[in-house]
Amino acid sequence: DTEVTQTPKHLVMGMTNKKSLKCEQHMGHRAMYWYKQKAKKPPELMFVYSYEKLSINESVPSRFSPECPNSSLLNLHLHALQPEDSALYLCASSRGGNYNEQFFGPGTRLTVL
Amino acid sequence: AQSVTQLDSHVSVSEGTPVLLRCNYSSSYSPSLFWYVQHPNKGLQLLLKYTSAATLVKGINGFEAEFKKSETSFHLTKPSAHMSDAAEYFCVVSDTKSWGKLQFGAGTQVVVTP
Repeated sequence: DTEVTQTPKHLVMGMTNKKSLKCEQHMGHRAMYWYKQKAKKPPELMFVYSYEKLSINESVPSRFSPECPNSSLLNLHLHALQPEDSALYLCASSRGGNYNEQFFGPGTRLTVL
Repeated sequence: AQSVTQLDSHVSVSEGTPVLLRCNYSSSYSPSLFWYVQHPNKGLQLLLKYTSAATLVKGINGFEAEFKKSETSFHLTKPSAHMSDAAEYFCVVSDTKSWGKLQFGAGTQVVVTP
């Protein structure tokens, strides 16, 4: 299995809702990533987990809360989002260590009303 | 510090003609270089990577790229464009000093006309 899966594909939420994005990989990778991508822009790194520990937080607002329950799963909990948070959220994974090649999932298209 | 410049924001080619996407990079350390493709409303797919082995790198779907250290370039080429090549292409650099962080170029949108 050489893919990263993400659910849901689409999500519409109000500013007072709480929702979660899920990401899963079965490649035995030890690093996982969350990115945010706005239209016509490259992805922006949000969080990096290495060996299930948060290693990079790119000064992301606290309304985004990542969680790594195990080495195959990565969640992004959303609460009190703003309309400007609407974007494509991409998950990626890599082998970790000196291997920096990242494999991306298909993304979740998030719309905040 | 590492950085990437994609020299063309938009490239239009006719089906069956060559494709050239230009990328220049800057890195203080031994860089790894990648090209990713993103079709509309999809995730990013790795086309090819350079990691200090052969300077001419072959990727998927007939794409290849040449690493030129003297010119700090990593241009992507394909001899004959196909309609399915219409997409956004990102040149990406990563180095050993910035583990976990990929530096993306701004992207090049490729349009293929019949």
